[in-house]
Amino acid sequence: LAKTTQPISMDSYEGQEVNITCSHNNIATNDYITWYQQFPSQGPRFIIQGYKTKVTNEVASLFIPADRKSSTLSLPRVSLSDTAVYYCLVGAKAAGNKLTFGGGTRVLVKP
Amino acid sequence: DAGVIQSPRHEVTEMGQEVTLRCKPISGHNSLFWYRQTMMRGLELLIYFNNNVPIDDSGMPEDRFSAKMPNASFSTLKIQPSEPRDSAVYFCASSLTRTWPYEQYFGPGTRLTVT
Repeated sequence: LAKTTQPISMDSYEGQEVNITCSHNNIATNDYITWYQQFPSQGPRFIIQGYKTKVTNEVASLFIPADRKSSTLSLPRVSLSDTAVYYCLVGAKAAGNKLTFGGGTRVLVKP
Repeated sequence: DAGVIQSPRHEVTEMGQEVTLRCKPISGHNSLFWYRQTMMRGLELLIYFNNNVPIDDSGMPEDRFSAKMPNASFSTLKIQPSEPRDSAVYFCASSLTRTWPYEQYFGPGTRLTVT
């Protein structure tokens, strides 16, 4: 699993676009990038997954530059209910190595 | 369509007791994962199965922890004997795919408190 770095927290306001960048300098050729969202007292929820360029679904967009050393999760027009912790996960679990979700980014959406 | 089901949702037990956590994955999914989440350690993968077969249990903290998947619709995580440091939220997740990167669907978790 590639080491990832995300901001610890971000504040935003309702209706704004939120962009969370994850750095993964040692991403391997075959690694995919996956984002999860976790609300308090709930399990993580899959948001989006991508390999290169841009991926979009009904919830978010994922932008991946050509060098793939970082990725940006974009949440359009957030609402209060988007307040959560967002995790970036890159790659696969190597046999014998531990897999731990990073600290994630705590996003607070204010009215 | 039911998601991943975990039981119990909350468990309080005394040190030394055996604890069994249960999970029913999404029907048709081929992979199942057990995670543990604490403030100190974050969300750690304990073990995962493909087609009911354990693939990697390197995240299991000690021999006190064991997991089984007797069939495609049921898995258990057992702690025997339990200790206060095992207090955490335990999540089960399932995935349709059999290889990384998995698109994992998590259950609501079991909050375990060991006193």
